[in-house]
Amino acid sequence: EVVLTQSPATLSLSPGERATLSCRASQNINNYLAWYQQKPGQAPRLLIYDASNRATGIPARFSGSGSGTDFTLTISSLEPEDFAVYYCQQRSSWPLTFGGGTKVEIK
Amino acid sequence: QVELQESGPGLVKASRTLSLTCTVSGDSISRGFYYWTWIRQRPGKGLEWIGYVYHGGTTNYNTSLKSRVTISADTSNNQFSLNLSSVTEADTAVYFCARVATAIDWGRGTLVTVSS
Repeated sequence: EVVLTQSPATLSLSPGERATLSCRASQNINNYLAWYQQKPGQAPRLLIYDASNRATGIPARFSGSGSGTDFTLTISSLEPEDFAVYYCQQRSSWPLTFGGGTKVEIK
Repeated sequence: QVELQESGPGLVKASRTLSLTCTVSGDSISRGFYYWTWIRQRPGKGLEWIGYVYHGGTTNYNTSLKSRVTISADTSNNQFSLNLSSVTEADTAVYFCARVATAIDWGRGTLVTVSS
């Protein structure tokens, strides 16, 4: 099973700041990584698929990078609606696995 | 645009079987390519893949739940279902049905509480 480790667990930032979230895989997953945003009481929302492709309707301030075992989600300038929990997910092999999440909170 | 909607009891007694159904619109579950999947999220916790049913009825389950899980497809009604037997309070979670390929298309989720 591929283990995904996200860091940091919590990121305290102010609106307008840059957020950098990390996801590390326990083995090579090529670029088969997605990022999701989740707000309380809602289902996760797809942001990025295959490491660097923005999903339909996702603002350009969200970008993804990486391949192999190390991946990054960057939010270039935080908007108020971006404060949420972010999960990475791999589809390289079954079982699908998710990282433990990074909470981006208002400083 | 695919839509997925979970339905089923919100409260289940411990030791009983949790049963949920996912109704799909905007796509056919009998078409190949997509894995029709259940994922859960325990209160305040992360996301856990439960298993899937694929075209032709092929299934695959999380090894930690395998002895208790059955996922099946009803192609005539374009639905797929989850049965989780011998539940305990640790099975209390929001259960999501989903369509999985390159990424995950999610239902809205339904909270199931297991009571003792």
